[in-house]
Amino acid sequence: GESVGLHLPTLSVQEGDNSIINCAYSNSASDYFIWYKQESGKGPQFIIDIRSNMDKRQGQRVTVLLNKTVKHLSLQIAATQPGDSAVYFCAENGYNQGGKLIFGQGTELSVKP
Amino acid sequence: DGGITQSPKYLFRKEGQNVTLSCEQNLNHDAMYWYRQDPGQGLRLIYYSQIVNDFQKGDIAEGYSVSREKKESFPLTVTSAQKNPTAFYLCASAGQGHTGELFFGEGSRLTVL
Repeated sequence: GESVGLHLPTLSVQEGDNSIINCAYSNSASDYFIWYKQESGKGPQFIIDIRSNMDKRQGQRVTVLLNKTVKHLSLQIAATQPGDSAVYFCAENGYNQGGKLIFGQGTELSVKP
Repeated sequence: DGGITQSPKYLFRKEGQNVTLSCEQNLNHDAMYWYRQDPGQGLRLIYYSQIVNDFQKGDIAEGYSVSREKKESFPLTVTSAQKNPTAFYLCASAGQGHTGELFFGEGSRLTVL
């Protein structure tokens, strides 16, 4: 069945460096993708989204890249800060599934001071 | 302020007891969702409701029940039939015509002793 998965379960970066979190998806019919940030013991928070008719979208310090050819999604965080430490999930809109989101496993980002 | 509220934040129950988790939103959202999250895992959909008085099973509905009598409320009951109920439960909502972005509550952590 369809799935959304992450290449790396954990990522450790130095404060100030850029972070790249990757995600693979298998449902080529999905047309909307979201990145969420989840801090320990809290609910996920929306970071950025992208539609399938785009290949790049930028926010404040974050950029999402979408490569539909290889069904790959990435989240880039510029100048990573300690407050960025969290688990990051990608999710895809389950097209033909009532709009339900399908979540990946998550990547834990740890920022070293 | 508008938002989605889950209660209680922490809950302990003995094995064999039913427990109900509350989820209330004042965002005027039509759709509401319940997810389960286990340590180091992604979110798995339990139940969802796209309109009052209607709801559908998600991927792991066995051992759970819900109701949607009011637009603002979507309580989840974890029944004694759920074999492994200890988990972090997340409620989310989304507006009409949404393409995927969900707004999450802060979660309820259930521990069955």
